[in-house]
Amino acid sequence: GAVVSQHPSRVICKSGTSVKIECRSLDFQATTMFWYRQFPKQSLMLMATSNEGSKATYEQGVEKDKFLINHASLTLSTLTVTSAHPEDSSFYICSARDLAENSGNTIYFGEGSWLTVV
Amino acid sequence: GEDVEQSLFLSVREGDSSVINCTYTDSSSTYLYWYKQEPGAGLQLLTYIFSNMDMKQDQRLTVLLNKKDKHLSLRIADTQTGDSAIYFCAESVDDYKLSFGAGTTVTVRA
Repeated sequence: GAVVSQHPSRVICKSGTSVKIECRSLDFQATTMFWYRQFPKQSLMLMATSNEGSKATYEQGVEKDKFLINHASLTLSTLTVTSAHPEDSSFYICSARDLAENSGNTIYFGEGSWLTVV
Repeated sequence: GEDVEQSLFLSVREGDSSVINCTYTDSSSTYLYWYKQEPGAGLQLLTYIFSNMDMKQDQRLTVLLNKKDKHLSLRIADTQTGDSAIYFCAESVDDYKLSFGAGTTVTVRA
């Protein structure tokens, strides 16, 4: 079945540095991917919609200059947390929709990436 | 607007059935999903239902949808210890962005 892969699964970075998280659709193409953030014991909150070949669409309250999204190909979207601060520590997870006609409009999620900013 | 609500906790004895309930507010939802999240892991798609259906069964899982009441439920038959996890229901409208409930923590006791 379709698989979405995220890398790294865990990352620790120093405050003020930037960190990049990759989201790949392994056996299907995704013109649109989504990035979510999940705080401990809370639900997932949509951050932005990543569009292949164009600018990402950010949800209200999400700083686009802080969370840079690049969707350079049909199988890869990246989220870069710039000038990270401890409050950016969270679980970031991406999703993608399989565009194939027989996919059943299922939306698959990656395994998520734990970011800890120290 | 979108607002999905779930009960937060469910404790069930191994072998019994689990029923997780969810309500949503957006009547234009096209698909409704159930995802499972184990500790420290991502989301695993369990099943989904199209909004013009009222029931879907997949092995031990049964999804019931009451569109009039905007109520969705997930029944897990013969609940096993491996079913212990957080279960999220989610709705999508027309652009496949998902709005999630807070998640129901299911604990299976022996």
